[in-house]
Amino acid sequence: QVQLQESGPGLVKPSGTLSLTCAVSGASIISSNWWSWVRQSPGKGLEWIGEVYQSGSTNYNPSLKSRVTISVDKSKNQFSLKLSSVTAADTAVYYCARVSGYFDWWGQGTLVTVSS
Amino acid sequence: DTVMTQSPDSLAVSLGERATINCKSSQSVLYTPNNKNYLAWYQQKPGQPPKMLINWASTRESGVPDRFSGSGSGTDFTLTISSLQAEDVAVYYCQQYYNTPRTFGQGTKVEIK
Repeated sequence: QVQLQESGPGLVKPSGTLSLTCAVSGASIISSNWWSWVRQSPGKGLEWIGEVYQSGSTNYNPSLKSRVTISVDKSKNQFSLKLSSVTAADTAVYYCARVSGYFDWWGQGTLVTVSS
Repeated sequence: DTVMTQSPDSLAVSLGERATINCKSSQSVLYTPNNKNYLAWYQQKPGQPPKMLINWASTRESGVPDRFSGSGSGTDFTLTISSLQAEDVAVYYCQQYYNTPRTFGQGTKVEIK
């Protein structure tokens, strides 16, 4: 049973940086999988943010690429998301997920609100 | 980007009746060398993360009831719930993993009539 758990501040000020961590258990982050972040704005659909491989290789959504950094910490079996210069439009539930092509395991999600 | 378009946006079906959701991709998600369609279906209930139901367009995930089935190839896909149960009320999404950025359909809300 793979488990993913997001953590980080639930409130971020406009123009600040959103930082989240996803702790992985039941699976090694040093595997053939990629690890991803997906977000969902209130009442809206799903938006892929990007993904990271154990080597540190990344793929990002072009719509967010200039503001996103996803990294992996092998020693802690976790990966992280940083999104800079946030605005109210970045208010969303942020999910981390394991990638097997498709997203086969998901965290429960964490709501991040951008507000002063 | 590969745009995924679902239809309808919502549908109401009587208990025990069939529900059909369509998903169309703006470009083919069929990888010819292995003849696999890089298309998944997810179910999302309120307050929960999406749950994968089907991958490779038609392969049911372990533990998913067999009333859920996926079909289609290339650019046109269908998720069918053969006999709708109360616990199937949810929003359903298709997603392509043929290329990046990974993209989802806008979702289809399934309710009981």
